[in-house]
Amino acid sequence: DAKTTQPPSMDCAEGRAANLPCNHSTISGNEYVYWYRQIHSQGPQYIIHGLKNNETNEMASLIITEDRKSSTLILPHATLRDTAVYYCIVRVYPISGGYQKVTFGTGTKLQVIP
Amino acid sequence: GAVVSQHPSWVICKSGTSVKIECRSLDFQATTMFWYRQFPKQSLMLMATSNEGSKATYEQGVEKDKFLINHASLTLSTLTVTSAHPEDSSFYICSAHGQGSPGNTIYFGEGSWLTVV
Repeated sequence: DAKTTQPPSMDCAEGRAANLPCNHSTISGNEYVYWYRQIHSQGPQYIIHGLKNNETNEMASLIITEDRKSSTLILPHATLRDTAVYYCIVRVYPISGGYQKVTFGTGTKLQVIP
Repeated sequence: GAVVSQHPSWVICKSGTSVKIECRSLDFQATTMFWYRQFPKQSLMLMATSNEGSKATYEQGVEKDKFLINHASLTLSTLTVTSAHPEDSSFYICSAHGQGSPGNTIYFGEGSWLTVV
């Protein structure tokens, strides 16, 4: 499995952009980068994913470096409801085939400050 | 709206009893489901992977006879915690993936809090 490393915590002022970095230096060519977030006592919520191109949806933007060894999740205008733990993961293929299992690192605890 | 639904959201059971948690995929066929547990202030820990119609694959250190997983249909997987003990108290989360899942990605249930007294 490609491992990811994220800063344990970050603060962001409400209304400002939150930029959450993730390193995945051992990522394989066919592995995607996914971002999820987990608000306290809830299941993880899907945010966005990408392979090598930058991606944008209604929630966030994902910037992946050209060498794919790192990425940044951007929340353009953070609100208090964006306070959560953000997980950057890469998908791996089990040897026996089938859908890849997903393992989580420790994530980044984002605190949006009023 | 929810793509994956878990039930119950929370449950309290007595030591020595068994408790079942259901995970349902809504609007798509989940050929693969994953079960996680999460202790307070910790990350999600993968327990097992289940493919519809076959036996679950358990992660190292997870007792398959204690955590029974059944994935009998393409929309339902169940986790049964047998002979529960207080140390089994945790937040259990399922996720599902399959053809037709929106964005071809993995979605998670809302989680189930288990308290064993």
